[in-house]
Amino acid sequence: GAGVSQTPSNKVTEKGKYVELRCDPISGHTALYWYRQSLGQGPEFLIYFQGTGAADDSGLPNDRFFAVRPEGSVSTLKIQRTERGDSAVYLCASSLDSDSGYTFGSGTRLTVV
Amino acid sequence: GQQLNQSPQSMFIQEGEDVSMNCTSSSIFNTWLWYKQDPGEGPVLLIALYKAGELTSNGRLTAQFGITRKDSFLNISASIPSDVGIYFCAGRAQGAQKLVFGQGTRLTINP
Repeated sequence: GAGVSQTPSNKVTEKGKYVELRCDPISGHTALYWYRQSLGQGPEFLIYFQGTGAADDSGLPNDRFFAVRPEGSVSTLKIQRTERGDSAVYLCASSLDSDSGYTFGSGTRLTVV
Repeated sequence: GQQLNQSPQSMFIQEGEDVSMNCTSSSIFNTWLWYKQDPGEGPVLLIALYKAGELTSNGRLTAQFGITRKDSFLNISASIPSDVGIYFCAGRAQGAQKLVFGQGTRLTINP
């Protein structure tokens, strides 16, 4: 597509529920990144995919967070047993390769009530 | 997590004024980037810097990669209303793919 597409744009869920956030990168971009942005803060790195594999998942805060990219294109960020502290905007970005600049999506605003 | 120290946190200026903001780090970075974020949108890349001492311009924007590789600044000349938004610096260490972001500078322009 023309840009990085993230769905849904907004998600409200109850504490303890499971959520999936989807990222559709720019066609042909091999590198895909997930970041989390809390209110009033800059984005914080979560995980980086090169192709289908997670090359760096050092930013995932705990084992409730997991991400996949099974075919090297679309990626899904999965959060189990959501907590109120998970509320944030989750940003996805893609780049042509690991040395190129990123293009960010508009994000998914997750609210856990 | 680690974040860069970006200042000022906010700026209130008159249209037409010049703007300057900077970013410092305790770590060395091999790449410095400046982004702008509008409400409800993701950050958009403004300028990328790849070499210590490099000075790069993009229209009314000028950014420099500090010689120590631990700092960078962004200048905006002759500000206009569409410059309103939040500006973020970001650094990338050698061999790393992730970016480390500053806390942002919120720019407000009084007409």
